[in-house]
Amino acid sequence: QSVLTQPPSASGTPGQRVTISCSGSSSSIGSNTVNWYQQLPGTAPKLLIYSDNQRPSGVPDRFSGSRSGTSASLAISGLQSEDEADYYCTAWDDDLIGYLFGTGTKVTVL
Amino acid sequence: QVQLQQSGPGLVKPSQTLSLTCAISGDSVFSNSAAWNWIRQSPSRGLEWLGRTYCRSECYVDYAVSVKGRITINPGTSRNQFSLHLTSVTPEDTAVYYCARATFYSSSSNWYFDLWGRGTLVTVSS
Repeated sequence: QSVLTQPPSASGTPGQRVTISCSGSSSSIGSNTVNWYQQLPGTAPKLLIYSDNQRPSGVPDRFSGSRSGTSASLAISGLQSEDEADYYCTAWDDDLIGYLFGTGTKVTVL
Repeated sequence: QVQLQQSGPGLVKPSQTLSLTCAISGDSVFSNSAAWNWIRQSPSRGLEWLGRTYCRSECYVDYAVSVKGRITINPGTSRNQFSLHLTSVTPEDTAVYYCARATFYSSSSNWYFDLWGRGTLVTVSS
């Protein structure tokens, strides 16, 4: 598997909880931690979650991550308009000896 | 404050070599806890990791299978830059190219991209 699979879109109203899945394999997510990135239009991706569930300084605690087996999830609770962006997961793959990125999920705030 | 500044041409002809440089301010390619990466993004291929270099007493590289044989990533002789060279380009190589720092997280023995350049749109066209 050369990519990690994400749903193309997700949406919610302000204040709702949105969850994004990321599916990999035993050599990627099954063996290595997952990082999540947020990308606003015209900008570089920004680190949101690292090592499955760690938040860098400055990232609100309404963003959380988890990993189980060969899948991982990003949850956004208390959805806000500024959360409208593309979200990507990434993980190292032991077989390919390289990083895989997710296919990306566009989050829309209704 | 650590910053990455990218430079290089935005237009490359098919079959020629794409070359980009990433200048590092506030850090070094010889940092013990960092690796220096090239990543590209296109509508057709999404985000794609191309390779990395990291230097300790000597320098090492890893390349993505998809571009192995065409790619070279070099740390700069000044210790404050690294470069990307991609040969025999085709229109499929048209993308926004990013340089990015990966930092090592010892608790899980994994890396994460915590610093990105602003990106360079490279178009392959005659």
